[in-house]
Amino acid sequence: EPEVTQTPSHQVTQMGQEVILRCVPISNHLYFYWYRQILGQKVEFLVSFYNNEISEKSEIFDDQFSVERPDGSNFTLKIRSTKLEDSAMYFCATTTGAETQYFGPGTRLLVL
Amino acid sequence: GQQLNQSPQSMFIQEGEDVSMNCTSSSIFNTWLWYKQDPGEGPVLLIALYKAGELTSNGRLTAQFGITRKDSFLNISASIPSDVGIYFCAGPAPSGSARQLTFGSGTQLTVLP
Repeated sequence: EPEVTQTPSHQVTQMGQEVILRCVPISNHLYFYWYRQILGQKVEFLVSFYNNEISEKSEIFDDQFSVERPDGSNFTLKIRSTKLEDSAMYFCATTTGAETQYFGPGTRLLVL
Repeated sequence: GQQLNQSPQSMFIQEGEDVSMNCTSSSIFNTWLWYKQDPGEGPVLLIALYKAGELTSNGRLTAQFGITRKDSFLNISASIPSDVGIYFCAGPAPSGSARQLTFGSGTQLTVLP
């Protein structure tokens, strides 16, 4: 069964460093999303991406964040200058356009 | 923003017992989704509901889309140890075209042998 994959599974970085999280969507899916889950809390929407542009973003998704799909397969989330409060699990999700979104296994980001 | 209120927050049950959890919203949802999350993993879709009143089963799991479209419940029958995890309800925001999901706060289920 096709699934969403994410790399790396874990990332430890120093505050102020840039990180890039990668996602490979399910092949026929057209809509891509990033969500964040701070430890012990619920999953929160960050950004949606369709047709090579951002469709919607939450207030969490500030100027430090960016997304792109540089090569038609990988969908990336970049955090330009990480802060301590960016420590969280980051999930990629994809869908064909239907309501049901399929989530990847996540990247655990720890900012020191 | 929209909020989904899930209850209970946590449950401790004996193996073999049935479990029920629910999710309510102050606004109408057109779709209800139930996900399960194991520790350190991403949410896995269990059941999707698309019509008010709909009752859908997936093995030992049954979920219903409330008639008012403001609530949903999930039942697990004859629980087993691998049912342990966090169960989230979720729904796409009615406004906006990109259908980002709003998640409930989750129900942490522990199954005791």
